[in-house]
Amino acid sequence: SYELTQPLSVSVALGQTARITCGGNNIGSKNVHWYQQKPGQAPVLVIYRDSNRPSGIPERFSGSNSGNTATLTISRAQAGDEADYYCQVWDSSTSNWVFGGGTKLTVL
Amino acid sequence: EVQLVQSGAEVKKPGESLRISCKGSGYSFTSYWISWVRQMPGKGLEWMGRIDPSDSYTNYSPSFQGHVTISADKSISTAYLQWSSLKASDTAMYYCARPGPDPDSEFDPWGQGTLVTVSS
Repeated sequence: SYELTQPLSVSVALGQTARITCGGNNIGSKNVHWYQQKPGQAPVLVIYRDSNRPSGIPERFSGSNSGNTATLTISRAQAGDEADYYCQVWDSSTSNWVFGGGTKLTVL
Repeated sequence: EVQLVQSGAEVKKPGESLRISCKGSGYSFTSYWISWVRQMPGKGLEWMGRIDPSDSYTNYSPSFQGHVTISADKSISTAYLQWSSLKASDTAMYYCARPGPDPDSEFDPWGQGTLVTVSS
């Protein structure tokens, strides 16, 4: 089955740039979606199809995907960006959705 | 506004049965799949399975096949997740989510979640 690998945690200084990676075999050939989940809340879509932002998501959030790694980039990190972030892909070979294990972002 | 509203929190004993619900509104319920996602306490998101409400076709993650049943009643725009015999390990938050029209579309929106607690 297809697997996605994320770092358990990422730290970033206030106002700096955070990068959260999502690794998978030839993930560049798939559409990657990213979700933000704050404590006690349901996940919220922040990036879809690798690099697209839904309405209401700040331009500070961006995404890229190539080769075996997809990346969520958060520029000018704010305290309010502290959350867990999950990547997701569709595995067409099994007709299953796959989530990464999640990354806890800490803003210092 | 497209919305998914889930049923309220449940507290059950091991061995009991349970069905939780997810009601869609603001869109054509039969035009989009509904997926269920589990989140155990302090853990990540796990995709459980999905249903096409137009014909109730389902497919499950191998991890959940045979342990839960996903169903839908299109007449009331509601999808269900049910257990016939709960275990303590089923204690978790359960979310429903709706992808877009393509097979690999993102999940948006999500329901607010239903907390299931199984304890003797």
